Amino acid sequence: AQSVTQLDSQVPVFEEAPVELRCNYSSSVSVYLFWYVQYPNQGLQLLLKYLSGSTLVKSINGFEAEFNKSQTSFHLRKPSVHISDTAEYFCAVSPRDRGSTLGRLYFGRGTQLTVWP
Amino acid sequence: GAGVSQSPRYKVAKRGQDVALRCDPISGHVSLFWYQQALGQGPEFLTYFQNEAQLDKSGLPSDRFFAERPEGSVSTLKIQRTQQEDSAVYLCASSLAGYTEAFFGQGTRLTVV
Repeated sequence: AQSVTQLDSQVPVFEEAPVELRCNYSSSVSVYLFWYVQYPNQGLQLLLKYLSGSTLVKSINGFEAEFNKSQTSFHLRKPSVHISDTAEYFCAVSPRDRGSTLGRLYFGRGTQLTVWP
Repeated sequence: GAGVSQSPRYKVAKRGQDVALRCDPISGHVSLFWYQQALGQGPEFLTYFQNEAQLDKSGLPSDRFFAERPEGSVSTLKIQRTQQEDSAVYLCASSLAGYTEAFFGQGTRLTVV
């Protein structure tokens, strides 16, 4: 069984400040890891993913996340946020087992990031 | 199409009414997924198709929920005798293949009154 915990339901920060959104997971098998972002009245968009290789993955808009197997974590960070980063962020895992599909996702409850001017 | 398209965007149903939610996946995408997102929660898996075959329906909450994808493209999620607890956003996603990432539609917000 898989579960994802996002400890912070809301994270308010000021523009240009650093931010970390925490994600921990529990799984009986190895997993692939994802962060999705949801802007108001829009669908989920893939922000970044860890499938294999380097444990540090980066997005095109300055976010990064690091897979930590020993701590079963995949925290999302950005050194300097913009107002346009205001959105809901979802951490998700997909089980890495035979016959699995990357679209079969287990999501956390989400973290609302609000960036203030 | 350019992205996953869902219709209607909003649906208000009276309790006990049947509803049908439509999903047009990205052209050529083999896999299609339905998720339910209750208010303040993350999306929860409902069901998965590979082409026209429904390979996993373990997330469907009751036998009032039924999904189909008869020609391996458009999919319909049907909810019979809607209840208030069915109120949620229903998300559809598609992927080119099982080993590629899923792309989500904007969702259908269902409100049962």
